[in-house]
Amino acid sequence: RKEVEQDPGPFNVPEGATVAFNCTYSNSASQSFFWYRQDCRKEPKLLMSVYSSGNEDGRFTAQLNRASQYISLLIRDSKLSDSATYLCAVNEGTYKYIFGTGTRLKVLA
Amino acid sequence: GAVVSQHPSWVICKSGTSVKIECRSLDFQATTMFWYRQFPKQSLMLMATSNEGSKATYEQGVEKDKFLINHASLTLSTLTVTSAHPEDSSFYICSAREVDHEQFFGPGTRLTVL
Repeated sequence: RKEVEQDPGPFNVPEGATVAFNCTYSNSASQSFFWYRQDCRKEPKLLMSVYSSGNEDGRFTAQLNRASQYISLLIRDSKLSDSATYLCAVNEGTYKYIFGTGTRLKVLA
Repeated sequence: GAVVSQHPSWVICKSGTSVKIECRSLDFQATTMFWYRQFPKQSLMLMATSNEGSKATYEQGVEKDKFLINHASLTLSTLTVTSAHPEDSSFYICSAREVDHEQFFGPGTRLTVL
């Protein structure tokens, strides 16, 4: 089993739709969690950290489920500009991040 | 957010040559820098972690003699791909981190080995 797993997609959704991605992790001792956005041929950019209580930033909501060992990202009212690959990253208590393979999102007009 | 630069942004070289990639933190002192490699449609794979003034820690399966890392100052780390071959063609991304802060990624270097 991979340490961090994501559905590669692509998720094709119409503008305005709500879409959710999950990311599972295998190490129950993992301590911090992040969602990154990566555009084609660009570096990843931090979208949001994921806290135990869940957190929201505008149209984006991230949640952590420690019991089932997954994190989720919900995007409401999708925009064309949301089209990208979304990577989850897990920190196991060291400074090392382990990334998932990413989930491709395409928002269609 | 903090800025991390990489140079060059892309490079094409002949098989057997060595290529050096620089990673700089422009507005903060990076106690730790990371080097990742990303093949098309795959995840970022951590290659090595370097702390200023000490030897890099390489991940399993990464040849330290092939991928030479130097972190001579708090703002500069270099990755040298020695005797590059076509299978080394990839997107190399560095990231830098201050103590107890998040990682910031450089824009990446696309290496093509002919």
